[in-house]
Amino acid sequence: AQSVSQHNHHVILSEAASLELGCNYSYGGTVNLFWYVQYPGQHLQLLLKYFSGDPLVKGIKGFEAEFIKSKFSFNLRKPSVQWSDTAEYFCAVNAPTLSSGSARQLTFGSGTQLTVLP
Amino acid sequence: EAQVTQNPRYLITVTGKKLTVTCSQNMNHEYMSWYRQDPGLGLRQIYYSMNVEVTDKGDVPEGYKVSRKEKRNFPLILESPSPNQTSLYFCASSLEGTRGYNEQFFGPGTRLTVL
Repeated sequence: AQSVSQHNHHVILSEAASLELGCNYSYGGTVNLFWYVQYPGQHLQLLLKYFSGDPLVKGIKGFEAEFIKSKFSFNLRKPSVQWSDTAEYFCAVNAPTLSSGSARQLTFGSGTQLTVLP
Repeated sequence: EAQVTQNPRYLITVTGKKLTVTCSQNMNHEYMSWYRQDPGLGLRQIYYSMNVEVTDKGDVPEGYKVSRKEKRNFPLILESPSPNQTSLYFCASSLEGTRGYNEQFFGPGTRLTVL
């Protein structure tokens, strides 16, 4: 089974600072990779996803992520954060080549709480 | 508006008192799923359903039941809740389509406290 590690549990930045959140997964087969964001009191929203092709993926709100297969990583980046980016960020993976039901099962990391100071 | 709805949003109950959390989606999605979110553990899948009358266990199914009698609804049932089921619960849905490639849409969450 696949697993996901997010090593930064809480990140505090000032506005305009650059952001990089780490995500590593363990699974030897083909994976789909996702970053979700959860703003305070709200449900999870998809930021971006990687299925195949260009390993540099651009998402909403200026976020991007780079898939590095050799490192089993899918780190999230943003050049300049805003106060409104304060939220919890989750990396997730699924394995589309598994049997039908399991292929859709998302495995989440433990999340990274980002606090942006004004 | 395309959405996943859950009710109730907040629930405080006592040990052993059966409860049901409803989940409904209006996107005609085949796949639906329940997750629980606990601090430091992220989201863990409880049960999922590939379509009507087709359900299967996720990673943490103990103490939970589900049913899928209609395509739009996927209720989560706690027959005898215990304090370790205190958590934030999310329902999600997605199109069937090509395996695993479809985005899952999440509901607003249900915060359950079992005393």
